[in-house]
Order: sequence, then structure tokens, then C-alpha cells
Amino acid sequence: GQQLNQSPQSMFIQEGEDVSMNCTSSSIFNTWLWYKQDPGEGPVLLIALYKAGELTSNGRLTAQFGITRKDSFLNISASIPSDVGIYFCAGQLRPNAGGTSYGKLTFGQGTILTVHP
Amino acid sequence: DAGVIQSPRHEVTEMGQEVTLRCKPISGHDYLFWYRQTMMRGLELLIYFNNNVPIDDSGMPEDRFSAKMPNASFSTLKIQPSEPRDSAVYFCASRQKDRGWRNGGELFFGEGSRLTVL
Repeated sequence: GQQLNQSPQSMFIQEGEDVSMNCTSSSIFNTWLWYKQDPGEGPVLLIALYKAGELTSNGRLTAQFGITRKDSFLNISASIPSDVGIYFCAGQLRPNAGGTSYGKLTFGQGTILTVHP
Repeated sequence: DAGVIQSPRHEVTEMGQEVTLRCKPISGHDYLFWYRQTMMRGLELLIYFNNNVPIDDSGMPEDRFSAKMPNASFSTLKIQPSEPRDSAVYFCASRQKDRGWRNGGELFFGEGSRLTVL
């Protein structure tokens, strides 16, 4: 089945620094998503990317859908303590032509981010 | 609007006991998913439903696991008998019906049920 390789596994940074993480896949995906999980909570969607080459921002977050459709990256600028958490990439295949099936969402292993004040 | 609601938030049980986890998806969402999260294996999809019908249960570990969705607003994940290796956080998530190629894939997760089997 599809596998997503997410890196780095963990990051320890100082407040104010920029952060970059990425995901690569052996399969082509039609949608890339980035989620954040706070301690004791479920993952929450940060950014969704639907088109190869697409670059999308959400505040201090920027994500790109790779041209090959096999990779994506997420950047966080000027990190703050509340950015702490686990960040997951997820890839989804296009649903079938009937539009009634779900493209299965595959998650990366996550990047644990620690921000020191 | 209320999000995905899961119960219990925490459960501690002894090996061999039956465990039932419950989920109420977001109203109007057609898909419901059960995930399991562990340090070793990350987020694993166990099973998902479309309009209350199980579509793919290939991620269910073994016959000890079963899931039902009797109606659009309720689902259960049952483990019987439970084993220590079942200890994990179990998430329920829901999403809307596909709407063309730009279908979002936007899963909305509950807060999870942390299961500890002693």
C-alpha cells in the first residue's frame, strides 16, 4: 500500500525560528493535507492542497503540493510556543469516476515540534 | 456547531474484558472513520463507513474488533476480548460527501478515546 515518509521525526527550535518539514511518497496523490495534533486532542486540518505546484498559505503557515504529486512541504515562519504539537501530512487519491467512493487518506508518521521560549 | 463527539475519553480495563467506544459524527457528514494511534504505528485506519454502510474494514486488526453504525448519528467500535496490545488512542472522524475532484478530504476528528488494557 501507499506509504508516506515524513521528516524530520522531531524538531527542537527556539521561538522565532522558521520551521520546515516535508513528506514524500512512492505513490501519486491528488490531494495533500497537513494536520496538527495538540496534546490530548485529535488532529486538526491546517492546509489542504489540491493541485500539483499549488502553494497555499494560512497565516504563518505555507504549504506546497509538489510538481511530481509525490511530495509536499510545510513551512512555519516565526514560530511561537503554541506551535508545539505533532504535524501530520496526509495524502489522498482521487475518488473513482462515479464520485461516490472515498479516496483513502494515508497519514505520515508525524513531526513532533518543540518550541523553546 | 458541535464537532465529532467520542466517549469515553479514557478507559482502563483488564485483559479479557469487552470494550465499547462510541462516536457521534458531525451532523450531515456522510463518512465516518475509525483510526487507532500508537507511537509505534502512528495513525492507522481501521474501518470507514459511507451512509452507515461499512466500505473498507481491511484495517481491522482481527476478529476481536468489530464496528457498527446503526444510524447516521452513532457508531461503535467494540473490542472483545481486549488485550494489552490494544492499548492506544482511538479516534473517530467524519467528513462530507465527495463533491467533484476538489473534494477536500477534510476529516474532522474527535478528541479520541484513550484505552489502556492491563
